[in-house]
Amino acid sequence: DTAVSQTPKYLVTQMGNDKSIKCEQNLGHDTMYWYKQDSKKFLKIMFSYNNKELIINETVPNRFSPKSPDKAHLNLHINSLELGDSAVYFCASSLPPVNTQYFGPGTRLTVL
Amino acid sequence: AQSVTQLDSQVPVFEEAPVELRCNYSSSVSVYLFWYVQYPNQGLQLLLKYLSGSTLVKGINGFEAEFNKSQTSFHLRKPSVHISDTAEYFCAVSVAYNTDKLIFGTGTRLQVFP
Repeated sequence: DTAVSQTPKYLVTQMGNDKSIKCEQNLGHDTMYWYKQDSKKFLKIMFSYNNKELIINETVPNRFSPKSPDKAHLNLHINSLELGDSAVYFCASSLPPVNTQYFGPGTRLTVL
Repeated sequence: AQSVTQLDSQVPVFEEAPVELRCNYSSSVSVYLFWYVQYPNQGLQLLLKYLSGSTLVKGINGFEAEFNKSQTSFHLRKPSVHISDTAEYFCAVSVAYNTDKLIFGTGTRLQVFP
């Protein structure tokens, strides 16, 4: 009974490639997020969408483009991948009023 | 702006011993506070949260935390740890009127030894 799921779990690719990570939630939540966790385990929010509308964009390079086809899905597309993009990317979702966030299992991206 | 400080990057402890993981926050407005746990190669799982009311909050797996407004702290405690509690623990804060943005601390690695 997966709540927030991400695919793929692991992604290994070459510099300069374009890749996408998919996220789906079956919790009926209105808001979805993308976070980046670096090699030191530091977690930082990248984007937040509410009902398919972008509400947070935390100074992320424009090579990163989130896309929300509906409120249950928030995909992350990354163009021209760089070595520094290597990290674990987490998707999360939440519901008002408190917006407690529920996280997916993460996607480990390795750029060679 | 809000910030979270987790003073201990690693906490080693023996099984069945008590543990406290420290978290301090900074904010000029009311906040909500959270503790998340991340087991190896897994996503984050919510342990507990403080929104309002009683300052002692009980969570899953026998953990509890106490909100101390005067000391701007939200320390996590467990009276007796198990090997299975070995994980990374993250404290997080959000502004009470803008809960979309969670600010995380740098995490504390709890290592439980037999």
